[in-house]
Formats: sequence, structure tokens, C-alpha cells
Amino acid sequence: NAGVTQTPKFQVLKTGQSMTLQCAQDMNHNSMYWYRQDPGMGLRLIYYSASEGTTDKGEVPNGYNVSRLNKREFSLRLESAAPSQTSVYFCASSPLTGRETQYFGPGTRLLVL
Amino acid sequence: DQQVKQNSPSLSVQEGRISILNCDYTNSMFDYFLWYKKYPAEGPTFLISISSIKDKNEDGRFTVFLNKSAKHLSLHIVPSQPGDSAVYFCAASGYSGAGSYQLTFGKGTKLSVIP
Repeated sequence: NAGVTQTPKFQVLKTGQSMTLQCAQDMNHNSMYWYRQDPGMGLRLIYYSASEGTTDKGEVPNGYNVSRLNKREFSLRLESAAPSQTSVYFCASSPLTGRETQYFGPGTRLLVL
Repeated sequence: DQQVKQNSPSLSVQEGRISILNCDYTNSMFDYFLWYKKYPAEGPTFLISISSIKDKNEDGRFTVFLNKSAKHLSLHIVPSQPGDSAVYFCAASGYSGAGSYQLTFGKGTKLSVIP
């Protein structure tokens, strides 16, 4: 039982390049989330998916797109990376509505040059 | 406009003593509160939670207190151990529509427990 897994662990991009961050959970959770963590800023919600087939914007969605591929997988795409998107990205999942505990993956460290 | 505030960026405590981490919130619609612990290069891990219908919840060495009238919660760790050294995030759950909830996080407090 791996919980929440994220790939890659670390990535360096040049400004303007695109990439997709992958997230998968094996806990049969309905809801999944993408956060970013910047120094001194805590965790900020980018997008979330309350259930398979639905996605909604969080606090900081600009510059990102998401896909809830199936119940297990939720990907985050940067179409044209910018230095301001240098951050650590965390995926999380929760059983039902998000009111319960959210379980986090180990994070993807992204550097945009 | 920060809805969840952790005003102490860092805290140092001697091993064996009590650690008290504080959190304030502004949104009265928050009704569920959580504390997460984060080690470097790892994801946050759930520590303890409390519903707004309670004022205290204990789990071993960890106790969370909620004062709704003051919109304040605190995490007490007794006794503190060196392994408790980590960043602690306070989070509050609020309804975001269509039957789903979102967590709003504070900026975190870095706890250092000195042997």
C-alpha cells in the first residue's frame, strides 16, 4: 500500500517549456488535490477534484491545468513554465469530501530557469 | 488576506518540556481543524484534528485545544522529543460548494527540540 505517489521527484525546466506532474493514490479516495509550497507561504491549493470527472480551481490556478484521468490519477500540467512556478508541488487525496484528513505525497521539486 | 495565521515562524524548546504551537483563524465558517507535521524533503503528515463542536482532543503526547470565541487553536506536545523537530502546519476546513471542502493552511511553525 503505497498511499500517494508523485513523479518526478525533481525536475529542472527552462522558461517556456511544458511538463506534466503525475500523481496516483491507491487508497480508493474520491477527492484529490494539488498544492504548491513556497518558502514562508505555507501550502496553497492550485486545483482539486472532488470526484472522478470533476475539477475545480483553488487559490492559485493561473498557469496550470489538471486532468483527473481516473479515480486513482490526477495530473498537473504546466503549459509554458515561468520562473514564478519554481516551487515544491504536493499532491493529496482524501476519502470523500475533503472535510476528512488529506493524505499527502512526497512532493515534486520544480526549478524553472 | 490570511484566513489561517501562525504568527510564530519558529520555536525552540528543551527536550522533555512542553511545546505550544499557536494558530488563529478569521473565517467563522471553518468547522474542522487539523495539524500536520512536515519533515524536510517529505510530504506533510497528519498529526491530530478537532471538530468545532469540541474544545479539546488528545492523542498520546499531542493535545489540540480550540477556543471558538477567540478563533484560536493550539497544539501542545508533552513531553517534547528531538524527533518532534519539524515544521507544523495548522489547517482549517471550509465548505467550497458541491459537497466538497477545502483546507486552508497557515504558513507553518518550525519547532526545534534541543536535546
